[in-house]
Amino acid sequence: GAVVSQHPSRVICKSGTSVKIECRSLDFQATTMFWYRQFPKQSLMLMATSNEGSKATYEQGVEKDKFLINHASLTLSTLTVTSAHPEDSSFYICSARATVQETQYFGPGTRLLVL
Amino acid sequence: AQSVTQPDIHITVSEGASLELRCNYSYGATPYLFWYVQSPGQGLQLLLKYFSGDTLVQGIKGFEAEFKRSQSSFNLRKPSVHWSDAAEYFCAVGAYTGNQFYFGTGTSLTVIP
Repeated sequence: GAVVSQHPSRVICKSGTSVKIECRSLDFQATTMFWYRQFPKQSLMLMATSNEGSKATYEQGVEKDKFLINHASLTLSTLTVTSAHPEDSSFYICSARATVQETQYFGPGTRLLVL
Repeated sequence: AQSVTQPDIHITVSEGASLELRCNYSYGATPYLFWYVQSPGQGLQLLLKYFSGDTLVQGIKGFEAEFKRSQSSFNLRKPSVHWSDAAEYFCAVGAYTGNQFYFGTGTSLTVIP
């Protein structure tokens, strides 16, 4: 099946710093990538959808200036958490889809801890 | 409103016993349904999906699920559970051409020897 990777798998940072998370589709070209956030013991919530070469579409309540998304190529999307604070600590999962007719394939997730 | 309900937050079964995880959905269009499994600290792995056709779908790891439109349900089953099946299970519904997946809150499965 299709493989999606994320890097890093775990990151600890100080409050006020920015953190970049990469999402890569390893064996297919992803026209669309999605970023989800998962709080402990809760389900995944879609944060934003990005199409290659276009600006990301953010879900209601998600600060686009806080969570910068770039989808510069068909195999890479990045999520940058700017000026991170402890409340941004969470598990961030990306998914990727080749075409509209395909399902999403999920990455392994990145655990962010902001001290 | 679109939503997915997994009524059981936590289930404990003995190894070798059968398993059924419940999923009910509310969706305004033709639903496309998914079951994912998540091991601790890991991402999501697709177990199976239903788009159309036979309402009983087979997935990986010996799992199957049955779509019942009249009950708005998509329950996941396995005839004999293995210790390695212990994980969190998420049901999701989405549109065929849409972007939004709606996930349930998950069911945590514990398998006892």
